[in-house]
Amino acid sequence: GAVVSQHPSRVICKSGTSVKIECRSLDFQATTMFWYRQFPKKSLMLMATSNEGSKATYEQGVEKDKFLINHASLTLSTLTVTSAHPEDSSFYICSARVGNHEAFFGQGTRLTVV
Amino acid sequence: AQRVTQPEKLLSVFKGAPVELKCNYSYSGSPELFWYVQYSRQRLQLLLRHISRESIKGFTADLNKGETSFHLKKPFAQEEDSAMYYCALVGGAGNNRKLIWGLGTSLAVNP
Repeated sequence: GAVVSQHPSRVICKSGTSVKIECRSLDFQATTMFWYRQFPKKSLMLMATSNEGSKATYEQGVEKDKFLINHASLTLSTLTVTSAHPEDSSFYICSARVGNHEAFFGQGTRLTVV
Repeated sequence: AQRVTQPEKLLSVFKGAPVELKCNYSYSGSPELFWYVQYSRQRLQLLLRHISRESIKGFTADLNKGETSFHLKKPFAQEEDSAMYYCALVGGAGNNRKLIWGLGTSLAVNP
């Protein structure tokens, strides 16, 4: 199957700083990328859907200014957690889809805000 | 409303026993359903989709529109099947197509 790579896989940052997470589709062009947050022992929470070249569509309750998403090319989307706080600590997962085909998932990024 | 329900948070079986992970859905149109699996320390990956009517790793799932269910079954569970299983439904259209997830079921297969 297709490969989606997330970087970094793990990051620790200080409270108040911003963190950028990259999501790349390595061997295909992704028309749509999704950003999820996964809480311990819980399901995936969709944060936003981004289509290349257009603004991301955020799910209800997700702060746009807090979680900045950029999908500048068909192979790269970035999620920036701005002014991170300890409650933003979580596992963030991206997935990428081309057309109506299945979505492929990145390995996830463990964010810890101290 | 579009919704996926996985009633069991945790399912524990012995090796060799049959296993059934339940999934019920609510969707107004013709549903497109998937099962995803996440093994320990690995990424989420597609296990199977209802339109393929395939068997992957011994697992099958049949869409039952009358009962609005898409239960995942395997006749003889193996220890390597221990993982988190998510049922998902595709909702929306065009660029708004997205997966609607169940809460997941953690399957533990004991020796």
